[in-house]
Amino acid sequence: SQTIHQWPATLVQPVGSPLSLECTVEGTSNPNLYWYRQAAGRGLQLLFYSVGIGQISSEVPQNLSASRPQDRQFILSSKKLLLSDSGFYLCAWKWFGNTIYFGEGSWLTVV
Amino acid sequence: AQTVTQSQPEMSVQEAETVTLSCTYDTSESNYYLFWYKQPPSRQMILVIRQEAYKQQNATENRFSVNFQKAAKSFSLKISDSQLGDTAMYFCAFMKHVASGGSNYKLTFGKGTLLTVNP
Repeated sequence: SQTIHQWPATLVQPVGSPLSLECTVEGTSNPNLYWYRQAAGRGLQLLFYSVGIGQISSEVPQNLSASRPQDRQFILSSKKLLLSDSGFYLCAWKWFGNTIYFGEGSWLTVV
Repeated sequence: AQTVTQSQPEMSVQEAETVTLSCTYDTSESNYYLFWYKQPPSRQMILVIRQEAYKQQNATENRFSVNFQKAAKSFSLKISDSQLGDTAMYFCAFMKHVASGGSNYKLTFGKGTLLTVNP
């Protein structure tokens, strides 16, 4: 069966510090991968998606970037965090079929 | 662009009763998928039910069922025999196929409805 893991689960970072959130999918190959952000009291916003290694599409201009160095690994990064980057980040995947499944999420608080 | 609207920010229901959550969407696509996801206090996003737009029959999953009205662009979720564990934020989501140098699909979410099941 397929599983998705993301870490760290919780992160408190000072403004201006770097960020790295990692997501790994198991039990599948060549999945579509996604990063979503959920700000307090709001719905989910798609940040990045990837259809293959090294292929990244950005949905909104922002202080973040994404990379896919391996088939089942998706990384969300920032060189210098802003206060507005705080939120709940969810990694997600889709393989065959038409359903997107989500990881456990990572809480980021920028102080 | 697609939009998804959930007009009920909060709802409550008594345990064992039935509740219906509303969702409308706007699209010019004819082929798409609709979903309800549940987000409990743990914050993990859990798939509740899925509906393919080309199917006329409403999807059901145990106590969860949908009323899909394609012409009206409406997709409501009915929860029967509500349980305390159903307390969560419920998100309606729309997905169309996006072909951009490779097969891909993207989800657009509504803002959610917070459902509280009272004992």
